[in-house]
Amino acid sequence: EVQLVQSGAEVKKPGESLKISCKGSGYSFPNYWIGWVRQLPGRGLEWMGIIYPGDSDTRYSPSFRGQVTISADTSFSTAYLQWSSLKASDSAMYYCARLEALVAAHDYWGQGTLVTVSS
Amino acid sequence: DIQMTQSPSTLSASVGDGVTITCRASQSISSWLAWYQQKPGKAPKLLIYLASSLQSGVPSRFSGSGSGTEFTLTISNLQPDDFATYYCQQYSSYSPYTFGQGTKLEIK
Repeated sequence: EVQLVQSGAEVKKPGESLKISCKGSGYSFPNYWIGWVRQLPGRGLEWMGIIYPGDSDTRYSPSFRGQVTISADTSFSTAYLQWSSLKASDSAMYYCARLEALVAAHDYWGQGTLVTVSS
Repeated sequence: DIQMTQSPSTLSASVGDGVTITCRASQSISSWLAWYQQKPGKAPKLLIYLASSLQSGVPSRFSGSGSGTEFTLTISNLQPDDFATYYCQQYSSYSPYTFGQGTKLEIK
C-alpha cells in the first residue's frame, strides 16, 4: 500500500528555521516525483514545487523560489520542506503528494503538516 | 505561468441533483488536467486525471471532459458525501503546476 506520512504539527517563532518531512512507503521512492502544496487557513491550494528523489532534480514555483528549500534523502525514503527564517505568513497546512507521471496527477497525498508561526 | 480559473466559486445543490464545474486555462494545456476533491481538514483526493480519466475507486457519477483551455467536471446524482471543495490543476508545464482557486459545493 502506497503511503506518504508527514511529520507532526509545528509551532515556531518568527525568524526560526524549520524542516518538515514526508516519508514514502509501499513504492519505489526514488522513481516518483514528490510535490509540496501549501494551503493557507481558509484558502485554496498552492503548488510550491517538486523533487525527483532519484537525482534530486528540483523545480520551484516562482512564488516560492528562494523562500523554501525542497530536498530528499532516498536512504530514508523521505522528502523535506525547509525554511531558514520563518514568517508569520508561513502559517499554513503543508501537504506532500506523489506525482504519478503516467497519469500526470498527484495520486497519493500525505495527511498534512500544520505549521504555526507566532511570537 | 499558466493561470487556471474555476467557476463558479460556490455552488449550491441538493442531493440527487447534477452539477457542472468549469475550469479555464490561460493557454492551451492539451489534456494535462486533473480534478481533486477536498473535505475540511483532509488532504485532497484525486478524482480525474488527463481531463477525462476516472481514478480507480472513484464513483462513476464523476466525469470530466474538455481539452485545450476549457474543462468541466460533472457530478451526477449528488450524494451527501460529494459536498466538498473541488480543484482543478494543470500539468502542462513544470513551473508551476497551478491549481484553480476552488469551487465549494454546498448543500442547498
